[in-house]
Amino acid sequence: QQQVKQSPQSLIVQKGGISIINCAYENTAFDYFPWYQQFPGKGPALLIAIRPDVSEKKEGRFTISFNKSAKQFSLHIMDSQPGDSATYFCAASPGPFGNEKLTFGTGTRLTIIP
Amino acid sequence: DTEVTQTPKHLVMGMTNKKSLKCEQHMGHRAMYWYKQKAKKPPELMFVYSYEKLSINESVPSRFSPECPNSSLLNLHLHALQPEDSALYLCASSPGGAVGAAKNIQYFGAGTRLSVL
Repeated sequence: QQQVKQSPQSLIVQKGGISIINCAYENTAFDYFPWYQQFPGKGPALLIAIRPDVSEKKEGRFTISFNKSAKQFSLHIMDSQPGDSATYFCAASPGPFGNEKLTFGTGTRLTIIP
Repeated sequence: DTEVTQTPKHLVMGMTNKKSLKCEQHMGHRAMYWYKQKAKKPPELMFVYSYEKLSINESVPSRFSPECPNSSLLNLHLHALQPEDSALYLCASSPGGAVGAAKNIQYFGAGTRLSVL
C-alpha cells in the first residue's frame, strides 16, 4: 500500500513535443505529491508539487494533473527541450507535519531528441 | 537560498575504515533526511530527524550511525561498510511543522558518491 507505481520506465520525445509521465498510488493517506528532476551526478531537484484539493497545477511548461478518485497523477512537459533530458521521479507522502517519509516512484528516463 | 550542502562529494573507503558524511542547511528547516540511491533507482529513505530528534529509522544496519548536532547540521557516521553499501548518499531538508503549504518540500543536496572497496 506504500508503493507509488510510475510509467513509462523510459521515454523518447522529439523536441517541441509533449512528454507525459504517469503515477498511481494506493495509500489514501498520501497528501502531498511532488515531482523531482534528476540529472546524472546531481541530487533530485523539486520540479512541481500538488495537493489533492486541486486537479491541476501549472508552472511554466510543466503541469501536474491529479485524479483523486482514480488515485493517479501525471506530469506533462509541454514544448519539450533537449535540456529536459533527465530522470523524473514522482513521489508521495502523508504530509501533516512536514517530516514524513517520501515514497518515490521507480523513475522515468526522459530523452528529448532534436 | 534553498541550498543543502554535502561534503565530501566523493569518498572511497575500505571495509575497516571509519568515515563521516556531513550535511548542512541554513534555511531554518526543522526536518532533515538521509537517503541512499543506487544507480538507476529512486532514493531510499534511511533516517529522518525532526527538531533534532531521530523520528524515522528505516531499519538501517548499525554500521550507519546518524547524528544531528544542531538544527543546521546532519552527519552520517560510517563504520565497517560492505561493498554493496557503495551508492550516492543524499541529504535533504524540509521546513517541517504542521502549518504552511511549503512544509513538506524536501530540498536535496548534490550527494556524496561513496565507494567501498
